[in-house]
Amino acid sequence: AQSVTQLGSHVSVSEGALVLLRCNYSSSVPPYLFWYVQYPNQGLQLLLKYTTGATLVKGINGFEAEFKKSETSFHLTKPSAHMSDAAEYFCVVSDQAGTALIFGKGTTLSVSS
Amino acid sequence: NAGVTQTPKFQVLKTGQSMTLQCAQDMNHNSMYWYRQDPGMGLRLIYYSASEGTTDKGEVPNGYNVSRLNKREFSLRLESAAPSQTSVYFCASRLISSANYGYTFGSGTRLTVV
Repeated sequence: AQSVTQLGSHVSVSEGALVLLRCNYSSSVPPYLFWYVQYPNQGLQLLLKYTTGATLVKGINGFEAEFKKSETSFHLTKPSAHMSDAAEYFCVVSDQAGTALIFGKGTTLSVSS
Repeated sequence: NAGVTQTPKFQVLKTGQSMTLQCAQDMNHNSMYWYRQDPGMGLRLIYYSASEGTTDKGEVPNGYNVSRLNKREFSLRLESAAPSQTSVYFCASRLISSANYGYTFGSGTRLTVV
């Protein structure tokens, strides 16, 4: 069965610092992977997704993620954090049948000035 | 604005009361989903409808029922609300039920059961 593990429920960085949010997945088939962001009191928004092809995926707001099959990882990065990046981030894998998405437990990103 | 619309945005129920959460999308999507979000738990799938006329249970279906009224609308019903159902509920849709498609989410319904 597919699953995702997000390492660290809370990450704190300074404005301008590198953002690294870690995600490892478990899948018996080639995975489809997503990152979603949730700003306070809002719904969820797709940041980026990996399906096939290039393993480095670029998303919105300067975020990117790299699919590493050998490490079963899909970590999210951004070179320079901005205050507006403060939010909760979810790593997501599609279930084997493709019928639904399976969410990690989330990582809250705090950005300090 | 195109997207997924959920009503109501907030609701307080007493234990044992019933209510229906409404969801509608205007993107001509085929698949629709209901999730609940609890602190530290991420989002967990309650029910989904891969296409009009079909519904299936997700990870946490107990205490809930759903109706896919038509292609646009997918409602979630709590027949007898319990405090354990206090949560934020999200409806989502996607064009087709395929592994490489992401969701479009509604803004959520914050439900408190007292």
